Amino acid sequence: EIVMTQSPATLSVSPGERATLSCRASQSVRSNVAWYQQKPGQAPRLLIDGASTRATGIPARFSGSGSGTEFTLTISSLQSEDFAVYYCQQYNDWPQLTFGGGTKVEIK
Amino acid sequence: QVQLEQSGAEVKKPGSSVKISCKASGGTPNSPTISWVRQAPGQGLEWMGRIIPMFGTTNYAQKFQGRVTITADTSTSTAYMELRSLTSDDTAVFYCARDVHWALDVWGQGTLLIVSS
Repeated sequence: EIVMTQSPATLSVSPGERATLSCRASQSVRSNVAWYQQKPGQAPRLLIDGASTRATGIPARFSGSGSGTEFTLTISSLQSEDFAVYYCQQYNDWPQLTFGGGTKVEIK
Repeated sequence: QVQLEQSGAEVKKPGSSVKISCKASGGTPNSPTISWVRQAPGQGLEWMGRIIPMFGTTNYAQKFQGRVTITADTSTSTAYMELRSLTSDDTAVFYCARDVHWALDVWGQGTLLIVSS
């Protein structure tokens, strides 16, 4: 099973600042990574697939990069609505999917 | 735009089973591929398995293999997830999501399962 490891577990950021979230795969997953945002009491929402392609309706301040084993989600200027938990997920090992443990972005 | 509507909260005894439904509407195909994801309280997301209703094909995460069965009724565009031999560790919110292979792009609202004696 491919293990996805996210860091840090918690990221404290001030509104308007940049947030950089990391996700590492235990073996190469090429560019087959998606990112999700989850707010308390809500279902996850797809942000990025293919490591860097924003899903429909996702603001341009969200960007994804990386390939192989190292991936990054960047939020260029944090808005109040961006404080949430973010998960990466690989689908290179399809039909098996695995998620990372999540990074909580909190207000500094 | 496809929407997924899940069945309501459940309370079950340890050792029993639960069956949760997920009805798709508003999209094509009428019966999309559906994945199920578990989220224990305060924990992360855990993929359980999927069904491709068009072919009746299922895939399961090894952790749940033998304890979960995912089915679908294409006539009603509804997918089901049955989990057996419940323990308190199964207390969680269960989500269904449309699985487009490279991502889970539409999610149901979640179904809370409480397992308690």
